[in-house]
Amino acid sequence: AQSVTQPDIHITVSEGASLELRCNYSYGATPYLFWYVQSPGQGLQLLLKYFSGDTLVQGIKGFEAEFKRSQSSFNLRKPSVHWSDAAEYFCAVGAPTGTASKLTFGTGTRLQVTL
Amino acid sequence: GAVVSQHPSRVICKSGTSVKIECRSLDFQATTMFWYRQFPKQSLMLMATSNEGSKATYEQGVEKDKFLINHASLTLSTLTVTSAHPEDSSFYICSAGRTEKLFFGSGTQLSVL
Repeated sequence: AQSVTQPDIHITVSEGASLELRCNYSYGATPYLFWYVQSPGQGLQLLLKYFSGDTLVQGIKGFEAEFKRSQSSFNLRKPSVHWSDAAEYFCAVGAPTGTASKLTFGTGTRLQVTL
Repeated sequence: GAVVSQHPSRVICKSGTSVKIECRSLDFQATTMFWYRQFPKQSLMLMATSNEGSKATYEQGVEKDKFLINHASLTLSTLTVTSAHPEDSSFYICSAGRTEKLFFGSGTQLSVL
């Protein structure tokens, strides 16, 4: 069974500081990996995804993530955080079926940005 | 723009009533849609997989008679919370698409009084 662990429930960073959100997954093969962001009371917005190829993935809003197979990790990074980045971030794993696939989400990391 | 539309965005109902939530794929045909539930400050939990023209597949622990799912067309899936109770209050989100292009609705906040 696939699973996702986000060890950090809550992170606070200062605006302009760098950010790294951790994500570890459990899956039998190479999964599809995703990072989503959710603002309060809103749906999910895809930040980036990894399917194959280059292990460093660039996403929207200046985010990037690196897939490390040896560590079963897919950590999200941003070099300089903006106050508008405050939100809930979810890492998710999906089966590479090529068709519609259900995702398993981590418990989320709430990011707070101080000015 | 949004390719998956979910309505209503917010609904308040009395205990014992039923509530229907719609999920529409706007510019593609979705043979499969997914319904998730999210409690406050928690993650999204898959409730069921909605298959066009057939019965939905429910995750363990989800009452199929409580949460009725209908996927009558390739662009519409509905989730009906029957005889809603306060413990059903939650944020419900649908998703549709292929794995590499999976889109989420904006969610429905259900509050049962």
